[in-house]
Amino acid sequence: ILNVEQSPQSLHVQEGDSTNFTCSFPSSNFYALHWYRWETAKSPEALFVMTLNGDEKKKGRISATLNTKEGYSYLYIKGSQPEDSATYLCASANNNDMRFGAGTRLTVKP
Amino acid sequence: KAGVTQTPRYLIKTRGQQVTLSCSPISGHRSVSWYQQTPGQGLQFLFEYFSETQRNKGNFPGRFSGRQFSNSRSEMNVSTLELGDSALYLCASSLVSGRVYNEQFFGPGTRLTVL
Repeated sequence: ILNVEQSPQSLHVQEGDSTNFTCSFPSSNFYALHWYRWETAKSPEALFVMTLNGDEKKKGRISATLNTKEGYSYLYIKGSQPEDSATYLCASANNNDMRFGAGTRLTVKP
Repeated sequence: KAGVTQTPRYLIKTRGQQVTLSCSPISGHRSVSWYQQTPGQGLQFLFEYFSETQRNKGNFPGRFSGRQFSNSRSEMNVSTLELGDSALYLCASSLVSGRVYNEQFFGPGTRLTVL
């Protein structure tokens, strides 16, 4: 059973602030870690798929790191903008299952 | 390129009825996965199809079933609906088999309400 935990549950930041969230997952039988961005009334959008310990990925102002030995991943947003407001989901996958965390709801105030 | 489409977008049914939801993946994508989103349980995996074969199945009762056609379109069926089946049902497609390593593209979802 994969128990994926995300923290914090919600976050309110000012425009321009940098922020980060955590995704914790079981490190045994790990295959891949996915990050998704889900805006209200839209579909989840894939941000990153990470597999290797120490992996770092970046897309614009958003980046993510992965530690498979200790079972966590961080998502960073640099200089948050109001359009970054969304729920950020992580999902941990092994060979036959993928479990999602409950998400971190980010609100960026102008 | 058109995205993943799901029909219908909204559906209201009563307990005991059955329902069929449809998902058309992005052209060229052969893997389709289905998920259920509820406020209490979050996003949960239902099943994955690739080349008309079910590859993986989540922990849902047998009332939930699916299939995939030769054109990669997929349908999900829920029989004997229960109140707890009220949820947003999302499908996602990916280019090659295996949601594990591959980026998934999600559709807009079907909002099912069971009365």
